[in-house]
Amino acid sequence: GAVVSQHPSRVICKSGTSVKIECRSLDFQATTMFWYRQFPKKSLMLMATSNEGSKATYEQGVEKDKFLINHASLTLSTLTVTSAHPEDSSFYICSAVAGERETQYFGPGTRLLVL
Amino acid sequence: DAKTTQPPSMDCAEGRAANLPCNHSTISGNEYVYWYRQIHSQGPQYIIHGLKNNETNEMASLIITEDRKSSTLILPHATLRDTAVYYCIVLIYNFNKFYFGSGTKLNVKP
Repeated sequence: GAVVSQHPSRVICKSGTSVKIECRSLDFQATTMFWYRQFPKKSLMLMATSNEGSKATYEQGVEKDKFLINHASLTLSTLTVTSAHPEDSSFYICSAVAGERETQYFGPGTRLLVL
Repeated sequence: DAKTTQPPSMDCAEGRAANLPCNHSTISGNEYVYWYRQIHSQGPQYIIHGLKNNETNEMASLIITEDRKSSTLILPHATLRDTAVYYCIVLIYNFNKFYFGSGTKLNVKP
């Protein structure tokens, strides 16, 4: 149990376009999901907290207008990278809190390459 | 949240126990110790967590010192597939924001 999926697993896009990444909890409902990014050989950096039915809260230094988060249901959160630039190229990972166990379970990640 | 300190890397022979230490000397009484690992290019995988008592599950054991200022994750019989970066995180239960440190790169060698 407690499986989290992400789609797509990897995406290549042109500079200036927007990219949407989906995060789904497959066998449980998650009122809270988190989004992280990870640069090569670096640790995960928390970007934002996504709460179902309310606005996401962003960590300091993360542009909310650039990284749009929508948590429309108890099993789906989306991250949209708007007007992507090469410096947005990274590994994006989501996690979801399994309510009964209050433990974070992570998705497999999405590798974004902006050309 | 309390900060954690982990060695940057460790080696372990296949089949032997891997003991990964974590210092969290500023941990407060209501903070739990969580362990996750990240295999290359994958999302982190939950391993175990605990408050003050030692914990064991099918993956590992967690030993927390009596003063709670440090802990050790034990993989009893390491395999090559256990090669990963292991993260120790402390946080208040039910307040789930994880701030990852640098972790320990465990290299399991044949």
